[in-house]
Amino acid sequence: SQTIHQWPATLVQPVGSPLSLECTVEGTSNPNLYWYRQAAGRGLQLLFYSVGIGQISSEVPQNLSASRPQDRQFILSSKKLLLSDSGFYLCAWGPDRVNQPQHFGDGTRLSIL
Amino acid sequence: AQSVAQPEDQVNVAEGNPLTVKCTYSVSGNPYLFWYVQYPNRGLQFLLKYITGDNLVKGSYGFEAEFNKSQTSFHLKKPSALVSDSALYFCAVRDFGQGGKLIFGQGTELSVKP
Repeated sequence: SQTIHQWPATLVQPVGSPLSLECTVEGTSNPNLYWYRQAAGRGLQLLFYSVGIGQISSEVPQNLSASRPQDRQFILSSKKLLLSDSGFYLCAWGPDRVNQPQHFGDGTRLSIL
Repeated sequence: AQSVAQPEDQVNVAEGNPLTVKCTYSVSGNPYLFWYVQYPNRGLQFLLKYITGDNLVKGSYGFEAEFNKSQTSFHLKKPSALVSDSALYFCAVRDFGQGGKLIFGQGTELSVKP
């Protein structure tokens, strides 16, 4: 069966520091991969998605970037964190079939001080 | 453009009573619809989907959803609520552009009291 791993679960970083969040998927190949941010409250904002190695699409302009160095690895990065980058970051994967759901990791709670 | 609306920020239900969490959608063409649940500090868990066929879809944990094309709705239901059903619920519709993206509603907080 397929599983998705996200780490770390929580992270506290100072303003201006770099960021690297990692997500890996097991048990499937060539998945679509997604990074979401959930601000306090509830709404989900899609940040990036990837349909293949090295292919990244950005949904909103921001201080973050994403990379997909391997088929089942998706990384969210920043060179210099802002206070506004605080939030709950969720990675998800989905097969490239529109009738199938996405599946989510357990998220990373990022607090910027 | 495709969109999803969850008109209620919060739904309060007594344990043992039926529950309904509302969702309406706007799409061009046939919709592919999904419901997810999120417990505190966790990721979203898939509950059920409507792709085609029967308008009543059954899913995990005793939940079901009714697809109504004329009302463009996809309400989530459960005949008897449990306190453990208290969570945040999201409705989503498939975006048929590149990448298989989902468009999510804003979420509905369900609170089930004993």
